[in-house]
Amino acid sequence: KQEVTQIPAALSVPEGENLVLNCSFTDSAIYNLQWFRQDPGKGLTSLLLIQSSQREQTSGRLNASLDKSSGRSTLYIAASQPGDSATYLCAVNDDYKLSFGAGTTVTVRA
Amino acid sequence: DVKVTQSSRYLVKRTGEKVFLECVQDMDHENMFWYRQDPGLGLRLIYFSYDVKMKEKGDIPEGYSVSREKKERFSLILESASTNQTSMYLCASSTAGTSKNEQFFGPGTRLTVL
Repeated sequence: KQEVTQIPAALSVPEGENLVLNCSFTDSAIYNLQWFRQDPGKGLTSLLLIQSSQREQTSGRLNASLDKSSGRSTLYIAASQPGDSATYLCAVNDDYKLSFGAGTTVTVRA
Repeated sequence: DVKVTQSSRYLVKRTGEKVFLECVQDMDHENMFWYRQDPGLGLRLIYFSYDVKMKEKGDIPEGYSVSREKKERFSLILESASTNQTSMYLCASSTAGTSKNEQFFGPGTRLTVL
């Protein structure tokens, strides 16, 4: 059974600092990995999807890397802003369904 | 943009009631999913559907059923609501196939069972 871990569980940084969020998974036989953002009481917003054949994916200030062999992905958010405060979830697709980590709650202080 | 909508943002029901949660997507996606999200337990898959009238059990199907009569609509049914079904329910959809099926989520329904 796929286990997905996100460390740290919470992170607080001053505005402008770069954010580094980690995700690890136990079974490397995945199809893709997806990063989501969730605001309190809301649904999930898809940020990036990395295919298993890719090493990284970029969108604006966001960059996600994938090392399938070691079972790790990292989400980098450059020059953080207070609007980046949210919970970030990673999820791996190793069949038809996603297995989610518990998330990292980020607070960016103005 | 993909849009996934859910019929209610907040719902309050009594124990024993039959509850229907509706989800509609507008991108002609083959796959649709129902998850529940609970503090400390994360997101867990209840059921998913890969085609009209087709369904598969997820990790926690007990106490739930689903219906997919049209491609764009996927309903979650609580046959007899119980307090332990108080949760945030999230619907998602994706294209068919496993390699590129990015999942898109709706806004969620916060269900309280009293």
